[in-house]
Amino acid sequence: DAKTTQPPSMDCAEGRAANLPCNHSTISGNEYVYWYRQIHSQGPQYIIHGLKNNETNEMASLIITEDRKSSTLILPHATLRDTAVYYCIVRASGGSYIPTFGRGTSLIVHP
Amino acid sequence: DSGVTQTPKHLITATGQRVTLRCSPRSGDLSVYWYQQSLDQGLQFLIQYYNGEERAKGNILERFSAQQFPDLHSELNLSSLELGDSALYFCASSVAGIYGYTFGSGTRLTVV
Repeated sequence: DAKTTQPPSMDCAEGRAANLPCNHSTISGNEYVYWYRQIHSQGPQYIIHGLKNNETNEMASLIITEDRKSSTLILPHATLRDTAVYYCIVRASGGSYIPTFGRGTSLIVHP
Repeated sequence: DSGVTQTPKHLITATGQRVTLRCSPRSGDLSVYWYQQSLDQGLQFLIQYYNGEERAKGNILERFSAQQFPDLHSELNLSSLELGDSALYFCASSVAGIYGYTFGSGTRLTVV
């Protein structure tokens, strides 16, 4: 499975958009990009996933570049409750896969 | 409520003791994963079970073991506990395919 690279930390003002990047340059054609977040001491929470096309749900938007080597998670109007560690993971469908969480990006949303 | 239930939420025990952590996966999920998260550390994968059988092992110590029962709930057994075993232990479940993983709220283990 492809490895991912994320900045260790970012900050964002409340009410502004938070754009969290992820590089996955070795991603394979059948691998999806997943985003999770972990609010302090809680279990990681699924946010969104995608294969090729951009995706949007009630929590966030996922923008995947055309070559699929990078993606950006967008929180359109960040709130203080969005302060968390955000993990980008790539995985193939089916089969045996062990979700491996790197260090992720620690996002701090400030007033 | 994520649908994955972990008990107990908190556990305090002494060094050398043995504890059992329990996880009930989300309804319909056949796979269970156990993770350890020490203070300010990332999530370390320990072990995976799929429909009662061990599927994959990560950095799980020999003092630790797990099993998944016919009703699909899983237990993680930690023995000869050391201070360094103090951590959050998370369980996650999933179905096959492209679906994501659902995590429980974790068990905070403190070894004193």
